[in-house]
Amino acid sequence: NAGVTQTPKFQVLKTGQSMTLQCAQDMNHNSMYWYRQDPGMGLRLIYYSASEGTTDKGEVPNGYNVSRLNKREFSLRLESAAPSQTSVYFCAGSWSSTDTQYFGPGTRLTVL
Amino acid sequence: AQSVTQLGSHVSVSEGALVLLRCNYSSSVPPYLFWYVQYPNQGLQLLLKYTSAATLVKGINGFEAEFKKSETSFHLTKPSAHMSDAAEYFCAVSAPNTGFQKLVFGTGTRLLVSP
Repeated sequence: NAGVTQTPKFQVLKTGQSMTLQCAQDMNHNSMYWYRQDPGMGLRLIYYSASEGTTDKGEVPNGYNVSRLNKREFSLRLESAAPSQTSVYFCAGSWSSTDTQYFGPGTRLTVL
Repeated sequence: AQSVTQLGSHVSVSEGALVLLRCNYSSSVPPYLFWYVQYPNQGLQLLLKYTSAATLVKGINGFEAEFKKSETSFHLTKPSAHMSDAAEYFCAVSAPNTGFQKLVFGTGTRLLVSP
């Protein structure tokens, strides 16, 4: 099993460009999550999907959109990238909301 | 609402010394508590979790944590540090039995291990 995978690993964007971060899991997780990690701030939840077909805002959703394409895939889209969105983005999955979350390796995004 | 405070953004120990990473939580209901570790340029992986069974929880790589309700603490310890323990450690809390719950993470503590 590959676990939770993310693509790309690295990305550089110019201000105003758009892109989609991809996340896929083969662990049959019901719930999936997108976090951003910034120095000194830990992980902050951007969006989550409690189950296939549902998505909800987390702590810092502004500037992002998500799609739960199917049970396996959960993508994060930046419509118009801003320098404040420079961060490391992690996708995670879990079987239930109180269960262990399994994290992908992350995407390091730089917005110039 | 749940919250987590990790005291000390950096902790330095010598190889072979005791590791103590502090975590205090706030929760309106009995919480679930987690410790995750992040090695450089990697995602987070679970070290251990408390889910209201035994208050002393043993995890991977020789780590353990004790849930102390009276102190609202869940400190992480390891008797003897190894160089390979150098990483960033995150404490997290969730509130079970209250509908869909999101994990709330602390800001992390970077453990530095010197020879």
